[in-house]
Amino acid sequence: DAGITQSPRYKITETGRQVTLMCHQTWSHSYMFWYRQDLGHGLRLIYYSAAADITDKGEVPDGYVVSRSKTENFPLTLESATRSQTSVYFCASSESRGGARGDTQYFGPGTRLTVL
Amino acid sequence: AQSVAQPEDQVNVAEGNPLTVKCTYSVSGNPYLFWYVQYPNRGLQFLLKYITGDNLVKGSYGFEAEFNKSQTSFHLKKPSALVSDSALYFCAVRPNNQAGTALIFGKGTTLSVSS
Repeated sequence: DAGITQSPRYKITETGRQVTLMCHQTWSHSYMFWYRQDLGHGLRLIYYSAAADITDKGEVPDGYVVSRSKTENFPLTLESATRSQTSVYFCASSESRGGARGDTQYFGPGTRLTVL
Repeated sequence: AQSVAQPEDQVNVAEGNPLTVKCTYSVSGNPYLFWYVQYPNRGLQFLLKYITGDNLVKGSYGFEAEFNKSQTSFHLKKPSALVSDSALYFCAVRPNNQAGTALIFGKGTTLSVSS
């Protein structure tokens, strides 16, 4: 059982290029999330999705695009990468059981992105 | 604004001594509280969570946390630290009236356990 995986694990790109980070989970969790981790900021939410074809913005969505055509996949695209988007990106998923709102989020291993 | 504070950037303890990593929060209503640990070049691993009930929550690897509503705190504790506990620890909170929404994270505390 792979759980939640991210690819690539490391990526170097240039300013202005489009980059897509992949996230795949095998649990059929309803909710999926993208966070970025930066020194001094902890983790900040970029986008999240409650189900296939349902997405919503988080704290820092500018410059990013997401889609969710299938429950198990939640790709994150940087349409035109900037140096400020150099970061470590984490995908997470959780299962919502309706009334049990303390659902735990499970994280992927992360993608370290460098924009030159 | 809703927030989580981890007042210490780094905590240093000797192996075998008790450890505490502090967390306070500012969230409306009764939040759900989490602790995660991150080892170098790894993703975040869930340690424990508080939803309701007993204020002392026990989690993975011998860790526990105490919820204190009056002080709006959720400090992580372990009776006897191990060198292998050295890692980055994150406290996180989710307001309980927002099902399935994202967590609000603190900035993290680096725990260093010396032998």
